[in-house]
Amino acid sequence: QSVLTQPPSASGTPGQRVTISCSGSSSNIGSNYVYWYQQLPGTAPKLLIYRNNQRPSGVPDRFSGSKSGTSASLAISGLRSEDEADYYCAAWDDSLQVVFGGGTKLTVL
Amino acid sequence: QVQLQESGPGLVKPSETLSLTCTVSGYSISSGYYWGWIRQPPGKGLEWIGSIYHSGSTYYNPSLKSRVTISVDTSKNQFSLKLSSVTAADTAVYYCARDGEQLGEFDYWGQGTLVTVSS
Repeated sequence: QSVLTQPPSASGTPGQRVTISCSGSSSNIGSNYVYWYQQLPGTAPKLLIYRNNQRPSGVPDRFSGSKSGTSASLAISGLRSEDEADYYCAAWDDSLQVVFGGGTKLTVL
Repeated sequence: QVQLQESGPGLVKPSETLSLTCTVSGYSISSGYYWGWIRQPPGKGLEWIGSIYHSGSTYYNPSLKSRVTISVDTSKNQFSLKLSSVTAADTAVYYCARDGEQLGEFDYWGQGTLVTVSS
């Protein structure tokens, strides 16, 4: 069981906006940065959002992150077929470890 | 362009020690940042194993700490993972990654290597 809680699946149609939630606690999300990773099938994860809401160079502005209290969200607007992937949230925990969410499989219908 | 490449045996026997090396190019480990190992069992999610600073300072996943050693060789621009007393539950794709300016901020990843634990 993962320390951070994500829904196992999410879906949307092309052009829609979808959000993926990530729930934690005061020792991780509540006091540290949240990161989001995108893992396309058969590939290594890729940093999608860092420090709650920052996008690395090359990540489209369709992807956005937010954090409130002990929860965080990843929003994808203008959904595209190539966004179909697994998405993971992560954070540093004050128990001196990196914790991941269990991952959310996004399906573009 | 920072690149990482994992190397090591793809098959390890139960009770033995899994050993992997990550070779970094395009960036000198001595320049800074933490460097981490993450694994992913087939069909499952990501699990952080541990991270090491260029000075040798380490953080480990508490659930694996008794079996894990991560070390760094700045002269070869490599860092390594040893996981002892492996079982079938340790079968996974193992990734190395640069753990950026903040721990948990894995900004560059290797392609991953599948390690199977089987007799």
